[in-house]
Amino acid sequence: EPEVTQTPSHQVTQMGQEVILRCVPISNHLYFYWYRQILGQKVEFLVSFYNNEISEKSEIFDDQFSVERPDGSNFTLKIRSTKLEDSAMYFCASSQNWRGLAGSNEQFFGPGTRLTVL
Amino acid sequence: SQQGEEDPQALSIQEGENATMNCSYKTSINNLQWYRQNSGRGLVHLILIRSNEREKHSGRLRVTLDTSKKSSSLLITASRAADTASYFCATVSGGYNKLIFGAGTRLAVHP
Repeated sequence: EPEVTQTPSHQVTQMGQEVILRCVPISNHLYFYWYRQILGQKVEFLVSFYNNEISEKSEIFDDQFSVERPDGSNFTLKIRSTKLEDSAMYFCASSQNWRGLAGSNEQFFGPGTRLTVL
Repeated sequence: SQQGEEDPQALSIQEGENATMNCSYKTSINNLQWYRQNSGRGLVHLILIRSNEREKHSGRLRVTLDTSKKSSSLLITASRAADTASYFCATVSGGYNKLIFGAGTRLAVHP
């Protein structure tokens, strides 16, 4: 069964360093997302991406964050200068289509990358 | 505003019993989805119910949606120890399919 994969599973970095979290969405999916979950808290939406551009982003997704689909398979989240409060589990998700189209807009989630900022 | 608030926050039952979790939300929605998360792991999609649907079944799962009360419930019948996990409801409202998650219900099923 196709699945979303994420690397690394755990990333430890020093405050102020840049990190890139990588995701490989399901191959025939067109919509991509990043969410994060701070320990013990809700899963929060960060950004959605379609057709090589951001569709929507949350207030969390400030200028320190960027996303990219550098090739036909990878989808990356970059944090330019990490802060302590960026420590969280980051989930990538993908979906085949968007609401209003035939079929489900179910989002398939990857296993997550645990980011620890020291 | 908060969306997708579940109750109870924690639920402890014996194997074979049914587990019911509730979710309330504040704004109108396109659909509501339930996800499961095993400790420290990713989110697994369980079921999606659209705003024009009232009930949906999938195996041992039954989801209801009451848009007049802005609430949904997830029933797991004949629970198993393997059902032990956190369960989240998530709503989709307009926009580009972003999911707004609730705080979740931690379910513990004891053998």
